Amino acid sequence: KQEVTQIPAALSVPEGENLVLNCSFTDSAIYNLQWFRQDPGKGLTSLLLIQSSQREQTSGRLNASLDKSSGRSTLYIAASQPGDSATYLCAAYTDYGGSQGNLIFGKGTKLSVKP
Amino acid sequence: GAGVSQSPSNKVTEKGKDVELRCDPISGHTALYWYRQSLGQGLEFLIYFQGNSAPDKSGLPSDRFSAERTGGSVSTLTIQRTQQEDSAVYLCASSLNSGSYEQYFGPGTRLTVT
Repeated sequence: KQEVTQIPAALSVPEGENLVLNCSFTDSAIYNLQWFRQDPGKGLTSLLLIQSSQREQTSGRLNASLDKSSGRSTLYIAASQPGDSATYLCAAYTDYGGSQGNLIFGKGTKLSVKP
Repeated sequence: GAGVSQSPSNKVTEKGKDVELRCDPISGHTALYWYRQSLGQGLEFLIYFQGNSAPDKSGLPSDRFSAERTGGSVSTLTIQRTQQEDSAVYLCASSLNSGSYEQYFGPGTRLTVT
């Protein structure tokens, strides 16, 4: 059974710092890995999607990498801003064969960027 | 274009009552997923619909939970005889197809069972 772990659970940094959020998964049979952002009381906003055949994806100040063999993904945020404060979730789309497949989520990293 | 919408945004119900939660996926998306987010458990998968195939119900926590998807579009999640442990945010997502396609999430329905 797929398990997704995110480290650290919480992170507080001063504005301007570059930071890395870590995600690990136990089953490498994934279709893709998605990183989401969730603001308090809100739904999930998709940030980056990495297909299983890809190594990384970039969007603005965000860069996500994927290493299936080691079961790891990282989300790199450059030049952090107070507006980046949110909970970041990673999720692996795991295929169980037949018609079964869904996103398995980590418990998130709560990021706080101090001005 | 319009994203995934869910209604109601908030629902407070008494223990033992039935509730229905609605999800309108993005037009043209064939895959629809329900997830639940609770404080102790994080975000967990409930049920998945793909086109006209039989749904994957493997994540439903009990037989009090059921869902249907009419006409391959709108979906309703029904919880019968609600319990306090059902209190959570219920999130719906859709994607163009299953597998490697990006999932887009709705704003969720916050359910509180008193």
